[in-house]
This record gives sequence, C-alpha cells and structure tokens, in this order.
Amino acid sequence: QKEVEQDPGPLSVPEGAIVSLNCTYSNSAFQYFMWYRQYSRKGPELLMYTYSSGNKEDGRFTAQVDKSSKYISLFIRDSQPSDSATYLCAMSVTSGGYNKLIFGAGTRLAVHP
Amino acid sequence: DTEVTQTPKHLVMGMTNKKSLKCEQHMGHRAMYWYKQKAKKPPELMFVYSYEKLSINESVPSRFSPECPNSSLLNLHLHALQPEDSALYLCASSHRGGGTGGDVQYFGPGTRLTVT
Repeated sequence: QKEVEQDPGPLSVPEGAIVSLNCTYSNSAFQYFMWYRQYSRKGPELLMYTYSSGNKEDGRFTAQVDKSSKYISLFIRDSQPSDSATYLCAMSVTSGGYNKLIFGAGTRLAVHP
Repeated sequence: DTEVTQTPKHLVMGMTNKKSLKCEQHMGHRAMYWYKQKAKKPPELMFVYSYEKLSINESVPSRFSPECPNSSLLNLHLHALQPEDSALYLCASSHRGGGTGGDVQYFGPGTRLTVT
C-alpha cells in the first residue's frame, strides 16, 4: 500500500463547476499537507498548505485536512479553463534528519468551456 | 517572495557532454533539493542539501553530481548521461534544514533536459 493514495483521473468538468480533489494517507506522522498545481511541462506551484487538521481558504480554493480519517481535500469553486492542470497532493514528515515530501500520483483536471 | 529560479529552462546534450543546471533562492531557506520528474509521474527525490551539506543521495548514479556553493545556490553537474535521463529536473527549497515536523517545499520552474 502506498503512503499517499490519489486518484489520477482524468477528471473532466464544465466551467463553473465545483471540483473536489482528494487524497488518503496512512502515515500518522505527516504534519504538513500541501496541494501543488502543475501545468504541462512546468514545475509544481504551491497552491495551499495546511499544518495539522482544519480548513484553509484562499479565494476560490479551500483545503481541508481530517487527520482522524487520514483524508485531505482540495475544493475549487467556479472552476475556470485556466484551472486545467495536474493537481498533486503532498505530505511532509521528517525522516532520517531531513524533511521528506511524499507525493500522491497527481490528478489530471480538465475544465471545458 | 517565494521564488526559486532555475537555469537553463531547456537543455539538449549529447551523451559525451558535460553540462550544469543551476538553482537559486533568496528566501533564506536552509534546505535545498533536486528532483527528477518523468512525464505523468510525481517528482522523485535525488539529493537533499541541509545547511549547505549533502544530507541525502537517493542512490543516484555518479553521472549526476550536486554542488552547493553557498546557502542560496545549488548546482547539478551532468556528465555522460544516458537517453533515459531525459526528464524535467526540479529544484526546491524549504525553510528548515531538518528538525522535526516536516516543512513546506517551494519548487522552481524546472529544466527540461533532453539527452541525445
């Protein structure tokens, strides 16, 4: 079993839809939970991060962490064609003296006009 | 400012060439990382520098040689690469060099490397 599970999609939605992206994890030691957006052939861009459980909102984006269920989500409201990208969840833990990132597989999202 | 810069953006090299990738951050971060990313896969960790010292080498072949000249700069020297080394090479940095609790990593735009 992978430490972080993420459905690779692809996920196709119409413009204006609410998008829900999710990851589950097995390591209870994870402390930081991140969502990266990656456009084709570009580096991952940090969208949001959360420390511990709870919700965090930034514009059209909301990140949720439920540590009791080992489940994290990213919601995108009023989705736009420019949101079409791969969304990577990542979780951070200190291992072997350094800060290690464990990535999900990434979900490919397409928002069509 | 949470910017990590990388040069060059694209690089094409032959299997006998020697080239270098460069990464820079001015956020005062104490840890810097090199990742390799193949198409439709998440990034794979190659090297970790913590407080300018090499902390982790994830069993990377010796044809990849990292260097950290100072706390803001990270280089990756390439020599005698193989076509299967063609990938997007990403640099990242994080505030803390170690300790406990993990940390957030900020990525650069990457260098797209093609080995012919």
